[in-house]
Amino acid sequence: DTAVSQTPKYLVTQMGNDKSIKCEQNLGHDTMYWYKQDSKKFLKIMFSYNNKELIINETVPNRFSPKSPDKAHLNLHINSLELGDSAVYFCASSQDRAWAYEQYFGPGTRLTVT
Amino acid sequence: EDQVTQSPEALRLQEGESSSLNCSYTVSGLRGLFWYRQDPGKGPEFLFTLYSAGEEKEKERLKATLTKKESFLHITAPKPEDSATYLCAVQAGGTSYGKLTFGQGTILTVHP
Repeated sequence: DTAVSQTPKYLVTQMGNDKSIKCEQNLGHDTMYWYKQDSKKFLKIMFSYNNKELIINETVPNRFSPKSPDKAHLNLHINSLELGDSAVYFCASSQDRAWAYEQYFGPGTRLTVT
Repeated sequence: EDQVTQSPEALRLQEGESSSLNCSYTVSGLRGLFWYRQDPGKGPEFLFTLYSAGEEKEKERLKATLTKKESFLHITAPKPEDSATYLCAVQAGGTSYGKLTFGQGTILTVHP
């Protein structure tokens, strides 16, 4: 059974387009995250949701908008894509945000903007 | 601001040659230090959480240790299948709300 899943695995699109990445976890966790991994493999948090409530919003352009329809799903919508948005985006989940619970990561979505 | 620095950036070992990876950190009130393994084209895979200085955890050929300023991931008699990027991350206390700050990783290559 896949614990944290993301779709699509690969996404190739042109500048200016709008795209979405979907994430689902079947671990029963309360908290979900979006991370961006750049070309140098550096992982940086973007957003975190706890029970559908946004709790972390790092300095991310407002072209990025997360949406959590329920605590098992966290989607990422990106408007007006730019070349610099090309990266691998990882979804993750953890049991709770209040303690140092380990985070479980999805397989990633490689976004290429041309 | 929380910072994590890993060294070396890359490490090449022969099979059976033990070594250590370093993770230095500065954080306001450490809540937890995490080690992950990442294979090419995959998401990070959780290995260990360490909570306080002096703590140690082991899993097969891997052993993680923690001091007040750094953590080490010791690899004993590595095998080629241990080749991966090893990531260290910290979670601070206070209002961090689960935010992990990652280091840049150490790329480990184990030759047969």
